[in-house]
Amino acid sequence: QQQVKQSPQSLIVQKGGISIINCAYENTAFDYFPWYQQFPGKGPALLIAIRPDVSEKKEGRFTISFNKSAKQFSLHIMDSQPGDSATYFCAARLNSGYALNFGKGTSLLVTP
Amino acid sequence: GAVVSQHPSRVICKSGTSVKIECRSLDFQATTMFWYRQFPKQSLMLMATSNEGSKATYEQGVEKDKFLINHASLTLSTLTVTSAHPEDSSFYICSKDSNTEAFFGQGTRLTVV
Repeated sequence: QQQVKQSPQSLIVQKGGISIINCAYENTAFDYFPWYQQFPGKGPALLIAIRPDVSEKKEGRFTISFNKSAKQFSLHIMDSQPGDSATYFCAARLNSGYALNFGKGTSLLVTP
Repeated sequence: GAVVSQHPSRVICKSGTSVKIECRSLDFQATTMFWYRQFPKQSLMLMATSNEGSKATYEQGVEKDKFLINHASLTLSTLTVTSAHPEDSSFYICSKDSNTEAFFGQGTRLTVV
């Protein structure tokens, strides 16, 4: 059973635009919500992560918005660039020592 | 720099043979490591949790006799795909945790011909 639901499956954004990817979870015990970027043939790389005690976290062009009551979190990529074209995965887990539960992924294409 | 080193990055093997994939923790010791499998255009699915000095914990539907996991030291976990078949062709990725984040290896692309 998919514990983290991610949408959209694919996304096309023009250069300079904002890319928005959404995720929802069911387990209220989840304590850590990371976003990963993956290029073909490579392992996932951590972009940004948030814990449920904050509602927003920003690092450069990447922002996570977290809505604990709705059990949703989203990734915003500002000023999207062609180099951002990749697959993005949201994930969630319990405490350290537990495996990550991944969303199905979003294939992002940023057009020039 | 990389904190998890996974080798090989790519391997092609004949059907019926076995392949070993290594996952090393380069900075701190890891009593627990995770093995994921990713089919093309799909998400990462947890296969098993590797525990140093004890048996691995396998997810439902993952054959423990086919995917042998050994975690004999605090810095090394290995996954051996035994009697590989074409349907085992996939991208295998290991990871470990710190208190703040999960670190992933570079992944191993296994092709069984």
